[in-house]
Amino acid sequence: AQSVTQLDSHVSVSEGTPVLLRCNYSSSYSPSLFWYVQHPNKGLQLLLKYTSAATLVKGINGFEAEFKKSETSFHLTKPSAHMSDAAEYFCVVSDPAGKSTFGDGTTLTVKP
Amino acid sequence: DTGVSQDPRHKITKRGQNVTFRCDPISEHNRLYWYRQTLGQGPEFLTYFQNEAQLEKSRLLSDRFSAERPKGSFSTLEIQRTEQGDSAMYLCASSQTGTGEGKLFFGSGTQLSVL
Repeated sequence: AQSVTQLDSHVSVSEGTPVLLRCNYSSSYSPSLFWYVQHPNKGLQLLLKYTSAATLVKGINGFEAEFKKSETSFHLTKPSAHMSDAAEYFCVVSDPAGKSTFGDGTTLTVKP
Repeated sequence: DTGVSQDPRHKITKRGQNVTFRCDPISEHNRLYWYRQTLGQGPEFLTYFQNEAQLEKSRLLSDRFSAERPKGSFSTLEIQRTEQGDSAMYLCASSQTGTGEGKLFFGSGTQLSVL
């Protein structure tokens, strides 16, 4: 069994300030963890994937996520938000069959 | 690589009618997934195929839903006797086992509205 909890349904930041989107997970397996982004009227796009090779994972568009096994967390960060980052973000845990369980999403708003 | 394509993009139907959606995955991908997404929620797993075999179906999925992937390429999702609660975005994704494990490529979805 696996589940994902995204701790914030909405996050609002000013352009140029850091972004933190929080995610906790549970899994019966050694987890595969992902972050996906969904821009309005566009398909889901993979941001980054935790592969167990390194606890700090770098993704596209300057995003990073850190895997912390002791805290069962996989928070997404970006040092400086851009207006184009405004979107819905989903934390995902996947089982060995590739079946993915999505969190309910965090809406990121970026203010000018 | 033309990506995952879904057809139609939008479907409006009356309650009680049957609808069918099509998904064409990335050609070399052997796994194909169907998800459903309602407003304010993350995508919810419905079912998945490895090649032509349907390996898992969500327990939440009503018997009115059926999916096929007859030749291990495209897939169809049929909903019989639609209900208003079926209104949602239906997403298809594909992936490749091995190095692509777990990495899903999504289509743009089919938005279903049941009146």
